[in-house]
Amino acid sequence: DQQVKQNSPSLSVQEGRISILNCDYTNSMFDYFLWYKKYPAEGPTFLISISSIKDKNEDGRFTVFLNKSAKHLSLHIVPSQPGDSAVYFCAASWGNYGQNFVFGPGTRLSVLP
Amino acid sequence: KAGVTQTPRYLIKTRGQQVTLSCSPISGHRSVSWYQQTPGQGLQFLFEYFSETQRNKGNFPGRFSGRQFSNSRSEMNVSTLELGDSALYLCASSSEYNSPLHFGNGTRLTVT
Repeated sequence: DQQVKQNSPSLSVQEGRISILNCDYTNSMFDYFLWYKKYPAEGPTFLISISSIKDKNEDGRFTVFLNKSAKHLSLHIVPSQPGDSAVYFCAASWGNYGQNFVFGPGTRLSVLP
Repeated sequence: KAGVTQTPRYLIKTRGQQVTLSCSPISGHRSVSWYQQTPGQGLQFLFEYFSETQRNKGNFPGRFSGRQFSNSRSEMNVSTLELGDSALYLCASSSEYNSPLHFGNGTRLTVT
């Protein structure tokens, strides 16, 4: 049973446009969320986080939105650049003891020049 | 600051053998987590150590074990290797609860 879902295995976007990556979760106890990007042969690179007390967090070209009632979060990348082409993972955790994150299966983003 | 360092990068082992993977966290980070990444299962949590104590454990058999040393460096051991253990093993460190994980580049284990 997947607790964190990324229903789009892949996404293609034109350079300069907005990329929107989506993530849904089933466990209402999740209270902290992360987004990562991963290039082949490298470990995941942290992009941005959000806690459940917020509904939006921005860092440069990256913005994460959290809709707790819908159990949905999204990552917006504006403007998209060819170097953003990678696999993107969302991850969620809960509880007040430990760093146990559940990862989604990932979405492969291709930014076309 | 140096990032998370994992050694070795690649390993080839035979079924039935055992293997030890090593991870050096970012300086000052006391939490070290291990994840297994496979094409079919994605990133799966193995366990987390904090101040030399296992704080969380995922749903993996007892063949998978780990430890953390007083300098926060961590090792992961897999005994009696099976073909299905072939995967990318990722180590991540973090500074405190509810803070981002910072990953190393992983150890690619192939079991033949």
